[in-house]
Amino acid sequence: AQSVAQPEDQVNVAEGNPLTVKCTYSVSGNPYLFWYVQYPNRGLQFLLKYITGDNLVKGSYGFEAEFNKSQTSFHLKKPSALVSDSALYFCAVRAGGFKTIFGAGTRLFVKA
Amino acid sequence: GAGVSQSPSNKVTEKGKDVELRCDPISGHTALYWYRQRLGQGLEFLIYFQGNSAPDKSGLPSDRFSAERTGESVSTLTIQRTQQEDSAVYLCASSFELAVSYNEQFFGPGTRLTVL
Repeated sequence: AQSVAQPEDQVNVAEGNPLTVKCTYSVSGNPYLFWYVQYPNRGLQFLLKYITGDNLVKGSYGFEAEFNKSQTSFHLKKPSALVSDSALYFCAVRAGGFKTIFGAGTRLFVKA
Repeated sequence: GAGVSQSPSNKVTEKGKDVELRCDPISGHTALYWYRQRLGQGLEFLIYFQGNSAPDKSGLPSDRFSAERTGESVSTLTIQRTQQEDSAVYLCASSFELAVSYNEQFFGPGTRLTVL
């Protein structure tokens, strides 16, 4: 069965510092990986995805993620955090079919 | 263009009553998904529809939950004999998918269900 783990409930970072939000997955077959963000009082929005090709994927708002097959990870990164990045981040995986499994979410706090 | 819409935005009901939640996907989107998000928790997959294929109902938590979709249009999620543990935000999403594609989902604002 496919699963996604986001080991940190919360990540705190100072504005201007790099941020990383961790995600590991377990699937049989090729993984198709996504990051979504949920801002306060707003719906979930797509950030980026990895399907195939280059392991470093760039997405919206300056975010990027690195696919690491050997470590079964897909960590979300940003070189310089903004206060406005504070939100709830979800990692998700598809492996065959259209069923998508989401992680439990990681709350990011960026302090000014 | 119009995004995914859901109605009602809030629903308060009494334990034991039936409720119907509605989702209008983005026009032309072939796939439609329902998720449940309990307070402070992640998204729990419930069901998806893709084109004319049989829906994947593997995430429905009990036989009190059912969903229908009319063609590639509106979907309704029905919860019968609601229980307090059904209280959550129910999210609908849609995407355009072909036989082999991996497109992002567009989410609606959700329906907040409270069962008293």
